[in-house]
Amino acid sequence: SQQGEEDPQALSIQEGENATMNCSYKTSINNLQWYRQNSGRGLVHLILIRSNEREKHSGRLRVTLDTSKKSSSLLITASRAADTASYFCATARSDSWGKLQFGAGTQVVVTP
Amino acid sequence: DVKVTQSSRYLVKRTGEKVFLECVQDMDHENMFWYRQDPGLGLRLIYFSYDVKMKEKGDIPEGYSVSREKKERFSLILESASTNQTSMYLCASSLRTANYGYTFGSGTRLTVV
Repeated sequence: SQQGEEDPQALSIQEGENATMNCSYKTSINNLQWYRQNSGRGLVHLILIRSNEREKHSGRLRVTLDTSKKSSSLLITASRAADTASYFCATARSDSWGKLQFGAGTQVVVTP
Repeated sequence: DVKVTQSSRYLVKRTGEKVFLECVQDMDHENMFWYRQDPGLGLRLIYFSYDVKMKEKGDIPEGYSVSREKKERFSLILESASTNQTSMYLCASSLRTANYGYTFGSGTRLTVV
């Protein structure tokens, strides 16, 4: 069963613009993670935010977490064509040690 | 560079065949996972293993089995392949807890005809 649900399902922007996608989940979590998947390839881990953190940065990525609303957002600033990919949130539930549950993903297209 | 290697990128098998998908990791990770990915459904967990010879069913184990005889290798077995098992299969590994993220293989796109 899917724990995380991303929104929007698809996003099309131009280079230089910011891309924001959201993730909602249902149960208590230890951490929430974001992954990127280039077409037809495996997923790559981008960033992890723990349940006691509210915001985290990594390069052009900014992640926020609101545990009261059970939601997270991923912001990619100054998008590049190479950011074209699908982005997935994944939650590590408090009661399922070591397992992640993934959402269906947001497909991002960045045009030059 | 740490790696999870899946034995095949593309595979075509016939209905009823027994299919083996192999995954090897070189990071000494305790956990290994098999997911399948279908359009609009995201990643669904088939099986995972938290130690050698240990396994647990995920969300969609029916029609699949797994084997983990060595820490670095986790095999997914389709006992009798069916067309509804046509999918992208992704292997991943991680440390004991999920606190540092998963490392994924490149995936195996399996077509059952």
